[in-house]
Amino acid sequence: YVLTQPPSLSVAPGKTARIPCGGNRIGSKVVNWYQQRPGQAPVMVISYDSDRPSGIPERFSGSNSGNTATLTISRVEAGDEADYYCQVWDNTNDHSTYVFGTGTRVTVL
Amino acid sequence: QVQLKESGPGLVKPSETLSLTCAVSGASINSSTWWSWVRQSPGQGLEWIGEIYHSGTTNYNWSLMSRLTLSIDKSKNLYSLNLRSVTAADTAIYYCATRDGYDHRDPFDVWGQGTVVTVSS
Repeated sequence: YVLTQPPSLSVAPGKTARIPCGGNRIGSKVVNWYQQRPGQAPVMVISYDSDRPSGIPERFSGSNSGNTATLTISRVEAGDEADYYCQVWDNTNDHSTYVFGTGTRVTVL
Repeated sequence: QVQLKESGPGLVKPSETLSLTCAVSGASINSSTWWSWVRQSPGQGLEWIGEIYHSGTTNYNWSLMSRLTLSIDKSKNLYSLNLRSVTAADTAIYYCATRDGYDHRDPFDVWGQGTVVTVSS
């Protein structure tokens, strides 16, 4: 199972960043999202498609339908500059596995 | 609050075995959750390696299955990774990670700081 993300995305401060994660019928799966700043471990920012854990700003939101899940960052700030990964649990074949997306580097202009 | 800390040699020779441990604090290794390993090759994305439950039940990434063994040490509250016959392709940052629950759809909400492993002679 493959999750495809655009390699990079640039956004101006205060604008909205929408990061797509494409996968076959991904809408039928649960999608989690992670933020990874340079030199740091990943941090979960969205779980179960759209749940935001405590400590994550309300500016972060998620949606999932059809063949695309989307992480949306509203009112982008300089501190949001990082790599973002989507992730699912795929149990559709004999080799159940956790799959991460290819990752998107968000640059704040 | 659960904390994870990886340890192990930073340099491994080709064809040898990579051995890492992940020390768990703030929770019991007997918790109803899975304990995982994830790696990240230089400049690349995240790759799930495998996971283990306190019962000893394991799930492995099929691409690594033939070389991989995960184990758990309840007395020391830690779990371990052994990856045999390593090559340069196994050079990566290795993270231990866990989830707050048994459901495989749960997110990895706790990560270790990561440990850099280089495979080179």
